[in-house]
Amino acid sequence: DQQVKQNSPSLSVQEGRISILNCDYTNSMFDYFLWYKKYPAEGPTFLISISSIKDKNEDGRFTVFLNKSAKHLSLHIVPSQPGDSAVYFCAAAPYNTDKLIFGTGTRLQVFP
Amino acid sequence: DAGVTQSPTHLIKTRGQQVTLRCSPKSGHDTVSWYQQALGQGPQFIFQYYEEEERQRGNFPDRFSGHQFPNYSSELNVNALLLGDSALYLCASSTGPNMYQETQYFGPGTRLLVL
Repeated sequence: DQQVKQNSPSLSVQEGRISILNCDYTNSMFDYFLWYKKYPAEGPTFLISISSIKDKNEDGRFTVFLNKSAKHLSLHIVPSQPGDSAVYFCAAAPYNTDKLIFGTGTRLQVFP
Repeated sequence: DAGVTQSPTHLIKTRGQQVTLRCSPKSGHDTVSWYQQALGQGPQFIFQYYEEEERQRGNFPDRFSGHQFPNYSSELNVNALLLGDSALYLCASSTGPNMYQETQYFGPGTRLLVL
């Protein structure tokens, strides 16, 4: 039972363009969402988060959008840079727990 | 400032054996969580330790157990290894068990192969 889904296993974007990574969830009890970036041979690194009371959070080139009615969130990276090439995981946390439920990841490749 | 460290980096075991993986949290962190990441999947929460006690647990059998020491380091033990236990085991640390206030810092992981 995959409660957090990232349906695109890979995404290829040209440098300077916008990268949009999508994530869907099924559990309405999730109320906190995070994006992590993972390079090979390294652990995931926290990127940005959003609480369910918001619909947008922005941090530099990274913006996360949350659509609670659609149970959908997305990560926008603009402009994309080659150093952004990595696997991106979205994760969700149910209310009042410390468990992170991860999606399966999307591999982003940014080419010159 | 050292981040989260894990040992060993790689490990090969055979079915039925037991394994112990170790994690040292980031300086100043007192909470450790363990995750299993199978090939092509996202990390799955195993359990979390705070104040030397298991606070929360994911859907993993009792073959998976852990421990936290007074210096906040932690061990993950897996008994009676199965082929399906082959995965990358990630440790994450944070300051306090409530991740709403704190983000978790992940180590590089231990890759376990069960033959």
